Amino acid sequence: DAGVIQSPRHEVTEMGQEVTLRCKPISGHDYLFWYRQTMMRGLELLIYFNNNVPIDDSGMPEDRFSAKMPNASFSTLKIQPSEPRDSAVYFCASSVTLITDTQYFGPGTRLTVL
Amino acid sequence: RKEVEQDPGPFNVPEGATVAFNCTYSNSASQSFFWYRQDCRKEPKLLMSVYSSGNEDGRFTAQLNRASQYISLLIRDSKLSDSATYLCVVNLNAGNMLTFGGGTRLMVKP
Repeated sequence: DAGVIQSPRHEVTEMGQEVTLRCKPISGHDYLFWYRQTMMRGLELLIYFNNNVPIDDSGMPEDRFSAKMPNASFSTLKIQPSEPRDSAVYFCASSVTLITDTQYFGPGTRLTVL
Repeated sequence: RKEVEQDPGPFNVPEGATVAFNCTYSNSASQSFFWYRQDCRKEPKLLMSVYSSGNEDGRFTAQLNRASQYISLLIRDSKLSDSATYLCVVNLNAGNMLTFGGGTRLMVKP
């Protein structure tokens, strides 16, 4: 298995631009998670899906952030418009169960907003 | 108080040393506990689960203390390759998702 796949690996954009991050979870995993990691705040859960349905988006910072999962093998996290404070590493992870199973993380997308 | 709290370190230890990290959690109803490891500029990866009776995997030992609401990770005979950030992970409420601590950075020196 290729593991969780994320793209792009690096993204540099200017303030105000739209950014779309992509994730392909491990086949057969029912849960997909989007995290953001910064030095100041550590690893924060933004949103998670169960069987393609968003379950908890309380971690999404504000309306500029949106996430979708149109099918079991693809999810996107969109930021529109982007701001410099959105600069972080964004991880996607997937797992078989919610709390008892290993979460497998993708390599992350390093986002820089100038 | 943070819901899952760790000493950020860094812990600087010589090769061969034994080092231990603790992690406190806020909810006595928590059920699932893990230690993840994150290398610099890499993604977190599961190191080991933490069971009620304690468990060991080679040089690594994990313990759970429900009464005091903390878990611990003990690393014996530290190797240079153990240098990383160790993340404590807990589910804070029954049925809820996992919460990651801020991590403890370990640096093993020659």
